[in-house]
Amino acid sequence: DTGVSQDPRHKITKRGQNVTFRCDPISEHNRLYWYRQTLGQGPEFLTYFQNEAQLEKSRLLSDRFSAERPKGSFSTLEIQRTEQGDSAMYLCASSPRYSAEKLFFGSGTQLSVL
Amino acid sequence: KQEVTQIPAALSVPEGENLVLNCSFTDSAIYNLQWFRQDPGKGLTSLLLIQSSQREQTSGRLNASLDKSSGRSTLYIAASQPGDSATYLCAVQNTGNQFYFGTGTSLTVIP
Repeated sequence: DTGVSQDPRHKITKRGQNVTFRCDPISEHNRLYWYRQTLGQGPEFLTYFQNEAQLEKSRLLSDRFSAERPKGSFSTLEIQRTEQGDSAMYLCASSPRYSAEKLFFGSGTQLSVL
Repeated sequence: KQEVTQIPAALSVPEGENLVLNCSFTDSAIYNLQWFRQDPGKGLTSLLLIQSSQREQTSGRLNASLDKSSGRSTLYIAASQPGDSATYLCAVQNTGNQFYFGTGTSLTVIP
């Protein structure tokens, strides 16, 4: 069990640039979640995949955000035309088939938009 | 929409003290509740999961209780240690797939 892996750990970008983050879930987990967390706040739901299907997306997520999970394995989260308000920790989590199981989080990608 | 509140926001205790962290939620139709620990700049680690049909779960010095009808959960930490210093978050999962998190309690255990 290698855990949930996220890459990169840190990303600094200029406003207006596009960024992409990657998440590799635990291999047998078919559910994958993306969350965003700002300082002093709890994680905020962004989107959820079951296998390769994106089943839920937060209404708060602007059209600049897109996520994919090709072949139901790793996932990418892309932010286009970044804004300073996008600065946050982006967390990925996975869980096994049954929804009563625990969430396993990666270490996150810290995004700073200058 | 489910709202999760954690009180207190911060707590400082001397080593060896027992303590209780509180979590409340507005919609009692939950599937489960989890308590997490988060160290600075890191991801979250699941500590305890309580399914909606359960009243409590225990792991080592940790005990979590759930009163679904009143929308409350507590995390009890016995004989606190400096290594317990972290932020503790609770999260509820409704019958959908979203998990709703509280803002956490920042715990400092003073040696």
